Amino acid sequence: SQQGEEDPQALSIQEGENATMNCSYKTSINNLQWYRQNSGRGLVHLILIRSNEREKHSGRLRVTLDTSKKSSSLLITASRAADTASYFCATQNSGGSNYKLTFGKGTLLTVNP
Amino acid sequence: SQTIHQWPATLVQPVGSPLSLECTVEGTSNPNLYWYRQAAGRGLQLLFYSVGIGQISSEVPQNLSASRPQDRQFILSSKKLLLSDSGFYLCAWRAGLPFEQYFGPGTRLTVT
Repeated sequence: SQQGEEDPQALSIQEGENATMNCSYKTSINNLQWYRQNSGRGLVHLILIRSNEREKHSGRLRVTLDTSKKSSSLLITASRAADTASYFCATQNSGGSNYKLTFGKGTLLTVNP
Repeated sequence: SQTIHQWPATLVQPVGSPLSLECTVEGTSNPNLYWYRQAAGRGLQLLFYSVGIGQISSEVPQNLSASRPQDRQFILSSKKLLLSDSGFYLCAWRAGLPFEQYFGPGTRLTVT
């Protein structure tokens, strides 16, 4: 079953603008991860944030986590055409199997040059 | 460095035919291995995962099966394909901590 729900389902912006994607989930988590998928390719891990963390940065990526609202956001600053891809959040749920991730349906980001 | 391979890259099979997709990982030992299916425009559905040789956990009852004959080899099979088995199949691995998973390039399966 789907745990994370990304919002919006699709986002189109101009190069240089910032892109923000949101993820909501339903159960308690150990960590939340964001992945990127270029069309027709496998997923690439971007960043992991633990349940006791509120914000994390990696290059042009900024992830926030609000466990009280069961939500996370991914901000991509100064977007580039190469950032065009689908972005998925995935949660490792606490109290469940330590081995599994539950993925959302993704946000399709299009960055126009 | 670690590498994950999947083959074939694309496959077109008639309804009722058998299926065998293979995934191998290099550069790591005793990885957790995963099979996912992704329908068009959708998220990933976990099908099977394995924490060791011969250990398979099934997440979704269906006409697919998985096997792990060797430490770094994971196989997805079916005896008779259905139209609904069409999709993009992804293999992934994880080596304990950290928790992130690493994905292969995927196999596009079309059942006709």
